[in-house]
Amino acid sequence: GQNIDQPTEMTATEGAIVQINCTYQTSGFNGLFWYQQHAGEAPTFLSYNVLDGLEEKGRFSSFLSRSKGYSYLLLKELQMKDSASYLCAVRDNDYKLSFGAGTTVTVRA
Amino acid sequence: IAGITQAPTSQILAAGRRMTLRCTQDMRHNAMYWYRQDLGLGLRLIHYSNTAGTTGKGEVPDGYSVSRANTDDFPLTLASAVPSQTSVYFCASSHGTDSDTQYFGPGTRLTVL
Repeated sequence: GQNIDQPTEMTATEGAIVQINCTYQTSGFNGLFWYQQHAGEAPTFLSYNVLDGLEEKGRFSSFLSRSKGYSYLLLKELQMKDSASYLCAVRDNDYKLSFGAGTTVTVRA
Repeated sequence: IAGITQAPTSQILAAGRRMTLRCTQDMRHNAMYWYRQDLGLGLRLIHYSNTAGTTGKGEVPDGYSVSRANTDDFPLTLASAVPSQTSVYFCASSHGTDSDTQYFGPGTRLTVL
């Protein structure tokens, strides 16, 4: 099975940087995903890491260390619209995803 | 192109009733999934299908059944609903390849009384 941990809540100021950590213990690993979910909406894909290192996509970056079972999502130049839940998910060798409980990020003016 | 759609948007159901949640995708994705999302627990996989004609059990399959008669449709049936099945249900689909991600439908909010 999969055990995926991430903080429940984080608060940051508009324009700042926030780092959301995710640790995992898995029986199989075939990639790590980050999704964004606004309240009352469906999750939407943000990033994918399968090899160690940093993947950058505009204001969002995601890092993976497979040996440490660790990933983080970095949100830079925070905007009010970034207030949402961020879901860490690990894919197993059968292409199934296991999700963490999600981190709710609140951006304050 | 609609992507992935779910129906109904929301439903209130009496315990013991049978209910089918519908999911349709027009992206010709091979794989489809059903999740439930509960506060504090995140998304949990109920059932999945890697290709038309096959299905598999996820983390929380009890009380639910699925079928995959064709590529586009993946209905989820609650044979006899119970209050613990009150949740938001999301359907998702993907190509099922290495670099692929899952795309989610808008969700169905189900309340079982």
